[in-house]
Amino acid sequence: EAGVAQSPRYKIIEKRQSVAFWCNPISGHATLYWYQQILGQGPKLLIQFQNNGVVDDSQLPKDRFSAERLKGVDSTLKIQPAKLEDSAVYLCASSFSTYEQYFGPGTRLTVT
Amino acid sequence: KQEVTQIPAALSVPEGENLVLNCSFTDSAIYNLQWFRQDPGKGLTSLLLIQSSQREQTSGRLNASLDKSSGRSTLYIAASQPGDSATYLCAVLPYGGSQGNLIFGKGTKLSVKP
Repeated sequence: EAGVAQSPRYKIIEKRQSVAFWCNPISGHATLYWYQQILGQGPKLLIQFQNNGVVDDSQLPKDRFSAERLKGVDSTLKIQPAKLEDSAVYLCASSFSTYEQYFGPGTRLTVT
Repeated sequence: KQEVTQIPAALSVPEGENLVLNCSFTDSAIYNLQWFRQDPGKGLTSLLLIQSSQREQTSGRLNASLDKSSGRSTLYIAASQPGDSATYLCAVLPYGGSQGNLIFGKGTKLSVKP
């Protein structure tokens, strides 16, 4: 069974630029999550989708972050404009139920 | 507000030693608790998931226990190997709010010396 796929794996941008991350969940997983992991911290949930609807985006900085999940499969997370404090690893996870999540390899973002 | 704490932040042991990693949480109203492993530059790999009604789970050399009433979990690793070197994260899934909102600790960085 293929795991959660994410791209790119690494990205370096200057502050005020925009960036987008892509995630392809495990086939058949209806729930998809985006987490932000700052160095030395545990991951923090940014947004949760159930199929193509948003379940929870309470911790998403909506002035600069946006996410969508077209057709209930792939998802894209965008940051525009990026700030220095957005430097982190962005993890995508998916689950069949809400009780066990499977994580992708993450995208490491560096904002200079 | 649920908070998860992991102690110690880092641990170095010689190969072959048995070890225990600790996780504590402030609110016992949880669906489950999960232990993850994270290798440098990699995502998270789920090791063990304990439902709130369970007391422990075992997988190979790993054993995780859960004591909801005291807000504690331990991850026991038997006969440690250099390949066990990684950061171990504990996460709880709380009742209420988004059912997907895992609350993570900061992790314990384990180094097993040959």
